[in-house]
Amino acid sequence: GQNIDQPTEMTATEGAIVQINCTYQTSGFNGLFWYQQHAGEAPTFLSYNVLDGLEEKGRFSSFLSRSKGYSYLLLKELQMKDSASYLCAAPYGQNFVFGPGTRLSVLP
Amino acid sequence: SQTIHQWPATLVQPVGSPLSLECTVEGTSNPNLYWYRQAAGRGLQLLFYSVGIGQISSEVPQNLSASRPQDRQFILSSKKLLLSDSGFYLCAWTPGAALEAFFGQGTRLTVV
Repeated sequence: GQNIDQPTEMTATEGAIVQINCTYQTSGFNGLFWYQQHAGEAPTFLSYNVLDGLEEKGRFSSFLSRSKGYSYLLLKELQMKDSASYLCAAPYGQNFVFGPGTRLSVLP
Repeated sequence: SQTIHQWPATLVQPVGSPLSLECTVEGTSNPNLYWYRQAAGRGLQLLFYSVGIGQISSEVPQNLSASRPQDRQFILSSKKLLLSDSGFYLCAWTPGAALEAFFGQGTRLTVV
């Protein structure tokens, strides 16, 4: 089976750095995705990790450790528009298993 | 380029009424198609997925059904809505297994 866990909520200050963690237990591994979802909108793709290490993409970076079943999303230079839910997801056969999402609130 | 269309954006329906939500994908062939539901403040729950025309797999038993009458069309239906069917419904497609998912705009369904 598949199980993904994330913190429910996080709060950070504009301009700061925040790390959102995701732990997963999967039978078989085909990478890990991160999506951003603003309230009332559809999720949009942020990053994909299949090998261990850090993938950097502008202000956003994603890290994966397959041996530890652990990933994190790092957001730098936080902006108010980064207030959203962040979902990690693991492919499972033809499907995805999504974590519950972490709701990030960026405060001025 | 590929696009996904989902409609309607919002819907208010009485208990016991039927439901039909439609999703179409343009610019690709033989996509994997998905219907998810998201309750307020919660994660995505997979309802149905399809890897080809007429092939539907159900993840959660409920009073909903799905159909794929054409390669790039995915329909979510119900004969009689329940209050518990309220939620945010999302259609998504991927080019294949373990690849990035692209989501439609979502349908906010309120059953009253």
